[in-house]
Amino acid sequence: EVQLVQSGAEVKKPGESLKISCKGSGYNFTNYWIAWVRQRPGKGLECMGIIYPGDSDTRYNPSFQGQVTISADKSINTAYLQWSTLKASDTAIYYCARHTPGAFWFDPWGQGTLVTVSS
Amino acid sequence: SYELTQPPSVSVSPGQTASITCSGDKLGNKYASWYQQKPGQSPVLVIYQDTRRPSGIPERFSGSNSGNTATLTISGTQAMDEADYYCQAWDSNTAVFGGGTKLTVL
Repeated sequence: EVQLVQSGAEVKKPGESLKISCKGSGYNFTNYWIAWVRQRPGKGLECMGIIYPGDSDTRYNPSFQGQVTISADKSINTAYLQWSTLKASDTAIYYCARHTPGAFWFDPWGQGTLVTVSS
Repeated sequence: SYELTQPPSVSVSPGQTASITCSGDKLGNKYASWYQQKPGQSPVLVIYQDTRRPSGIPERFSGSNSGNTATLTISGTQAMDEADYYCQAWDSNTAVFGGGTKLTVL
C-alpha cells in the first residue's frame, strides 16, 4: 500500500525554527515528486512547492519562494519542509502528497501536520 | 497568477444530482483534478485528468472540462458525500487549487 506518513503536531513560538517530515512507503520514493500543501484554519489548499527526491530538483510556488525550504533524503524515503523563522501566519495544517511525473494530480496525501505558532 | 474560481457552497437533496463548477482562463486546455475533503481528514482524489475516477471512487462521481469550466457531478448524492471539494490544475509549472466548495446534502 502506498502511504505517506507525516510527523506529529508542533507548537512553536514566533521566531523559532521548525522542520517537519513526510515518509513514503510502498513505492519507489525516488521516482515520484512530493508536494507540500498548506491549509490555513478554515481556508483552502495552497501548493507551496514540489521536490523530486531522485535528484532533489525543487520547484517553489512563487508565493512561497524564500519563505520555506523543501528538501529530501532519499536514503530514508523522507521529504522535509522547514522554516528558519516562524510567524503566527504560518499556523496551518501542512500536507504532503505524491505527484507522478508527467501526471497532473496528487495522490495519495499524508495525514497532515498541524503547526501552531503562538506566543 | 492563474486563478480557479469555485462557488463557496452548493446544496443538494439526497438522491439528486450535485454539480460543482470550477472556472479558469482556458481551463479546458488543461487537465483538471478534483479532491474531496471531509472535516478533520486529508484530501482524497476523486477525479483526475478531467474525467477519470481512481479505483475505489464510486461511479456516481464524474467530471467534465471544456472551455473555461470544469465540472464535478455527483449523481444520486448520498449523505456521505457531504464535504468540501477542491478543483486543481497546473499553470506555468505551478499547481493551483480552487477556493473550495462546501457541498451540503439536506
